[in-house]
Amino acid sequence: LAKTTQPISMDSYEGQEVNITCSHNNIATNDYITWYQQFPSQGPRFIIQGYKTKVTNEVASLFIPADRKSSTLSLPRVSLSDTAVYYCLVGDPPYGQNFVFGPGTRLSVLP
Amino acid sequence: DTAVSQTPKYLVTQMGNDKSIKCEQNLGHDTMYWYKQDSKKFLKIMFSYNNKELIINETVPNRFSPKSPDKAHLNLHINSLELGDSAVYFCASSQGNGGASDEQFFGPGTRLTVL
Repeated sequence: LAKTTQPISMDSYEGQEVNITCSHNNIATNDYITWYQQFPSQGPRFIIQGYKTKVTNEVASLFIPADRKSSTLSLPRVSLSDTAVYYCLVGDPPYGQNFVFGPGTRLSVLP
Repeated sequence: DTAVSQTPKYLVTQMGNDKSIKCEQNLGHDTMYWYKQDSKKFLKIMFSYNNKELIINETVPNRFSPKSPDKAHLNLHINSLELGDSAVYFCASSQGNGGASDEQFFGPGTRLTVL
């Protein structure tokens, strides 16, 4: 599984757009990029997944440049309820022996 | 409707005891997983089952053993509990065969505390 690097924490205010960037320099040709969200005392929840260019759903957008060595999760107009930890995962079947969700990015949305 | 459920939600026990955590999914998924989230919040895969066959066996102590009576259940048995086993354990499931591109659905977690 490709190693990923994300900021440990970010702060934002309600109504702002938040962009969280993940670096994955060793991404392989067949690898997908997946983002999960985890609220305190809950299991992670799938947000969005992409392979290249831009993907958008009702929750977020995912921007992937042509070289695919990084990706940016964009959350439009965040609210207090978006305060959570966001994990970036890169990989493709099968899972490696050391498959780990890293520490993620702890997003704090302030009023 | 609960998609992935775990019981119990909290488990407090003494060192040396044997305990089990149950997991059930009603999504009709083919693959189920167990993860351990430690105090530093790293979430690490322990096991996964696809159609009742173990397809990943992470290098966890053999005191941990997954048991799947059917496709909808994957229980985690832990023998001779140690202090370092204290963590939150998450069960998850996915439709596919266990690849990283599969969307996983997680349960609410079981917080295990070993005294």
